[in-house]
Amino acid sequence: DQQVKQNSPSLSVQEGRISILNCDYTNSMFDYFLWYKKYPAEGPTFLISISSIKDKNEDGRFTVFLNKSAKHLSLHIVPSQPGDSAVYFCAASAANYGQNFVFGPGTRLSVLP
Amino acid sequence: EPEVTQTPSHQVTQMGQEVILRCVPISNHLYFYWYRQILGQKVEFLVSFYNNEISEKSEIFDDQFSVERPDGSNFTLKIRSTKLEDSAMYFCASSSGGGRQETQYFGPGTRLLVL
Repeated sequence: DQQVKQNSPSLSVQEGRISILNCDYTNSMFDYFLWYKKYPAEGPTFLISISSIKDKNEDGRFTVFLNKSAKHLSLHIVPSQPGDSAVYFCAASAANYGQNFVFGPGTRLSVLP
Repeated sequence: EPEVTQTPSHQVTQMGQEVILRCVPISNHLYFYWYRQILGQKVEFLVSFYNNEISEKSEIFDDQFSVERPDGSNFTLKIRSTKLEDSAMYFCASSSGGGRQETQYFGPGTRLLVL
């Protein structure tokens, strides 16, 4: 059961460049999406969210884009910084799921100085 | 900055034993959650808890699991008769509100190893 997929297990980006992390989902009922960042030995930290009524949400260097027809969302980080090196999880929820978010497997981002 | 804490950081137990994982949520938060992440796999929701009751639980949260808020600060996850497949990182989280748009703050996790 892979309702939320992150097909790139890892990604390396040069400092200052754009990082693009992708997430695909299969359940058309999903209408709210989150991105979490996780450092080693720490719990996930909320990064940014988007509701299906929007196609873009921006917070500083982080922008999430949602393409509902393609069931695809992406997280853009620009400019990337070495401190952004972490595992990034996409998570999705449907209205009838309540707080039961479905997570993707994560993408490990390495930002190289 | 307030944070969610979890103890112990690591727990090793024998199959069939009971374990209790402890969490101290952020003090003014009212909603509490447990998640687990089996090594190399995705984070999975287990249960949410509010007003001393389970609000939601996933299929994973079967009869071997229970949660409790024994006092005003702690939130515990008990696993009765642990199985090898219970080996995972267990994360506690809390939020001030219960809506999907409420930010959940995660603790650092307890790594459970069942032998």
